Amino acid sequence: NAGVMQNPRHLVRRRGQEARLRCSPMKGHSHVYWYRQLPEEGLKFMVYLQKENIIDESGMPKERFSAEFPKEGPSILRIQQVVRGDSAAYFCASSRTDNQPQHFGDGTRLSIL
Amino acid sequence: GQQVMQIPQYQHVQEGEDFTTYCNSSTTLSNIQWYKQRPGGHPVFLIQLVKSGEVKKQKRLTFQFGEAKKNSSLHITATQTTDVGTYFCAVSRGANSKLTFGKGITLSVRP
Repeated sequence: NAGVMQNPRHLVRRRGQEARLRCSPMKGHSHVYWYRQLPEEGLKFMVYLQKENIIDESGMPKERFSAEFPKEGPSILRIQQVVRGDSAAYFCASSRTDNQPQHFGDGTRLSIL
Repeated sequence: GQQVMQIPQYQHVQEGEDFTTYCNSSTTLSNIQWYKQRPGGHPVFLIQLVKSGEVKKQKRLTFQFGEAKKNSSLHITATQTTDVGTYFCAVSRGANSKLTFGKGITLSVRP
């Protein structure tokens, strides 16, 4: 019974490059959430998606960041033209319904050189 | 929006001691959840509290929701080295279930 799968676990990019983070929710879960965690900080909500729909993107920067959850395949968090400040751990979580506990993946640690 | 405060950010205890931490809000909360994150790991859901005054136990962990639903506590009896990690409280608001996390408290246990 696989949990939430995120890849890659670690990602290194140079300033100006693009970063793509992938998340496959738990089986039977159709709600996906992305959070960002800076060192010594709590998790900050970025975006909430259901299949093919963005439900809430109030926590996502307006520029350079986008997210999708297509009908087939994993959810993708895309960061264009990365900057040093994008370095963080990005966690994906999924739930069966919108009021069920969220299960987190192992995260992607993004480092920007 | 709803915010939750966790103070202090770090606590050190001797193995075998009890440990209590709190999560506070200035507004009434609809629910509160607790997560644990081990160093280098990901948050793991521990419990959700919904009712005023609710108390739930998981082995040596006791969770309580305040009567006014503005605070919550986590109590660990006789800490062990396996309890090391950061404990976060989080709240969700209605059907829009994005979680708002506190900054967490990092617990270290001296063997």
